[in-house]
Amino acid sequence: QLQLQESGPGLVKPSETLSLTCTVSGGSISSTEYYWVWVRQPPGKGLEWIGTIYSRGNTYYFPSLKSRVAISVDTSKNQFSLKLSSVTAADTAVYYCANSGTLSGPMDVWGRGTTVTVSS
Amino acid sequence: YVLTQPPSVSVAPGETARITCGGDNIETKSVHWYQQKPGQAPVLVIHFDVDRPSGIPARFSGSNSGNTATLTISRVEAGDEADYYCQLWESPSDHVVFGGGTKLTVL
Repeated sequence: QLQLQESGPGLVKPSETLSLTCTVSGGSISSTEYYWVWVRQPPGKGLEWIGTIYSRGNTYYFPSLKSRVAISVDTSKNQFSLKLSSVTAADTAVYYCANSGTLSGPMDVWGRGTTVTVSS
Repeated sequence: YVLTQPPSVSVAPGETARITCGGDNIETKSVHWYQQKPGQAPVLVIHFDVDRPSGIPARFSGSNSGNTATLTISRVEAGDEADYYCQLWESPSDHVVFGGGTKLTVL
């Protein structure tokens, strides 16, 4: 059974780069059956899609974040990662990783989420 | 593409809750629904408009017609109290869209 676990710093300074990793267990990150997704949720607000990566490298990003975000896959570690540059307080959120079987499909499996606070 | 959900829905235990998700010609797209309880990750409750993942009670059902997709929860229980989000993949712009979420309160 596929399981996902987010990890990374809980505190990031304004203007710096937020870096998170999602470790996949119970399945291969390089499987052509999966798409890997990052979603965030600011405090007290709704879910916001950040981006999706396919195992073969195709990436799709939320338009308003596209200039600051990069998602990549590390097959050697069975992980995928999120980098968000030039962060501000508005990037404070719980960050979730998830997976989907198809690009238009649902996010079947979610990590538990990790809280990232942007503050000096 | 914008998905519009009512901010809140209230229902008494045992009654039926209907949570709507409005979008332009949404019936042409596949809609997925998530339940999120406080402090927890979202859980998929309906996918591809009408299908229930394994482990989701049959009390949860979905429909999608015209400009509105609907999540229906029959015989509502106290444990159904949560936030519910609709979601779809928008093409050809190629991105995920979430609705703003609906807080279901069980009276």
